Amino acid sequence: GEDVEQSLFLSVREGDSSVINCTYTDSSSTYLYWYKQEPGAGLQLLTYIFSNMDMKQDQRLTVLLNKKDKHLSLRIADTQTGDSAIYFCAENPTLGGGADGLTFGKGTHLIIQP
Amino acid sequence: GAVVSQHPSWVICKSGTSVKIECRSLDFQATTMFWYRQFPKQSLMLMATSNEGSKATYEQGVEKDKFLINHASLTLSTLTVTSAHPEDSSFYICSALTSTGLWAFFGQGTRLTVV
Repeated sequence: GEDVEQSLFLSVREGDSSVINCTYTDSSSTYLYWYKQEPGAGLQLLTYIFSNMDMKQDQRLTVLLNKKDKHLSLRIADTQTGDSAIYFCAENPTLGGGADGLTFGKGTHLIIQP
Repeated sequence: GAVVSQHPSWVICKSGTSVKIECRSLDFQATTMFWYRQFPKQSLMLMATSNEGSKATYEQGVEKDKFLINHASLTLSTLTVTSAHPEDSSFYICSALTSTGLWAFFGQGTRLTVV
């Protein structure tokens, strides 16, 4: 079945860039997503990338997709204390959309050092 | 953007009682909604897929008689945890799928504590 892997923890200093990595196995993924979960809250869709794109930038966020290696990354520039959260990588395994649930990674806990 | 409202945000109940959690899509119609469970420091586990007007599809290992799902309208799905036990204590999150099937928006989550 589909599998999405992420590192469990990442620690960065405030002001530095954070890079959260994700690998996935399903080559038919149409969209790949990054979600943010703050403590005790639900998930918030941060950004997404379509599988025919290599890069997408949205303010401080940059998503890079290497489809050949099935590797997705999220770069957060100028990391702030408010960025402290768990970041989930997710893929939509159904080509062309569908009613299947997304497949999530276990989440990367981003820890900001002052 | 699309909003999904989940209620309540937290609930404490006694063992043996039932708890109902609501998931509403506020500004779009959701034919399909999903219910997830999250254990501490773990990822989301899909429990079931809820389709409007039909029976929910449960993932392997999830007891359908214990976790009752009702998707009575295009904007509301409910999850009822029946005869709750302390091991059911967890964070439950719903998500609603847009009509294109590509976007899933999440509720705020419900922290259930069974004492």
